[in-house]
Amino acid sequence: QQQVKQSPQSLIVQKGGISIINCAYENTAFDYFPWYQQFPGKGPALLIAIRPDVSEKKEGRFTISFNKSAKQFSLHIMDSQPGDSATYFCAANYGRGKLIFGQGTELSVKP
Amino acid sequence: ETGVTQTPRHLVMGMTNKKSLKCEQHLGHNAMYWYKQSAKKPLELMFVYNFKEQTENNSVPSRFSPECPNSSHLFLHLHTLQPEDSALYLCASSQVAGEEQYFGPGTRLTVT
Repeated sequence: QQQVKQSPQSLIVQKGGISIINCAYENTAFDYFPWYQQFPGKGPALLIAIRPDVSEKKEGRFTISFNKSAKQFSLHIMDSQPGDSATYFCAANYGRGKLIFGQGTELSVKP
Repeated sequence: ETGVTQTPRHLVMGMTNKKSLKCEQHLGHNAMYWYKQSAKKPLELMFVYNFKEQTENNSVPSRFSPECPNSSHLFLHLHTLQPEDSALYLCASSQVAGEEQYFGPGTRLTVT
C-alpha cells in the first residue's frame, strides 16, 4: 500500500513533442502529490504538485492530471525541449512531510 | 550560501571508518530530512526532524546515526558501514510538516 508505481522507466521524445509520465498508488490516505526533476549531479527539485481535490494543474509547459477514482496521476511536458532531459520522480505524501517516491523516469529529448 | 548545502560532496570510506555528513539549510525551515538514493531504486526516506526533534526513523540500521542540533543543521554519523550502503545521501528541508521539500545536491558515498 505504501508504494507509488511509476512508468515508463525511460522515455525518448523528439523536441517539440509531449512527454507523458504516469504514476499509480494504492493508499487513499495520500494527500499531496509532487513531481520532482533531477539533473545529473544535482538533488531533486520540486517541479509541480497537486492535491487530490483538483483534477488538473498547469504551470507553464508542465501539467499534472489527477484521476482520484483510478488512483493515478501523470505529468505532461508540452513542447519538450532538450533542456528538459532529466530524471523525473513522482511522489506521494503520507503525513507530516513524509514522502514516498516512484522509481523515476529518465527522459531524453532529442533535438 | 543559499538553499540547502551538503558537505562533503563525495566520500570514500572503509567499512571500519567513522565519518559524518553535514547538511545546512538557509531557507528558514523547521523540518529536515535524510534520504538515500540508490541506483535504479526510489528515494528512500530515512529520518525526519521537526524543530530538532526526530519524528520519523524509517527502520534505518543503527550504523546510521542522525543528529539535529538546531533547525538549520543536520548531520548523519556513519560507522561500520557495509558496501551496500554506497549511495547518494540527500538532505532536504521544508516548513514544519511541509510537503514542499527542498533538496541539497547530495553526498556520493562509496563504502569499500
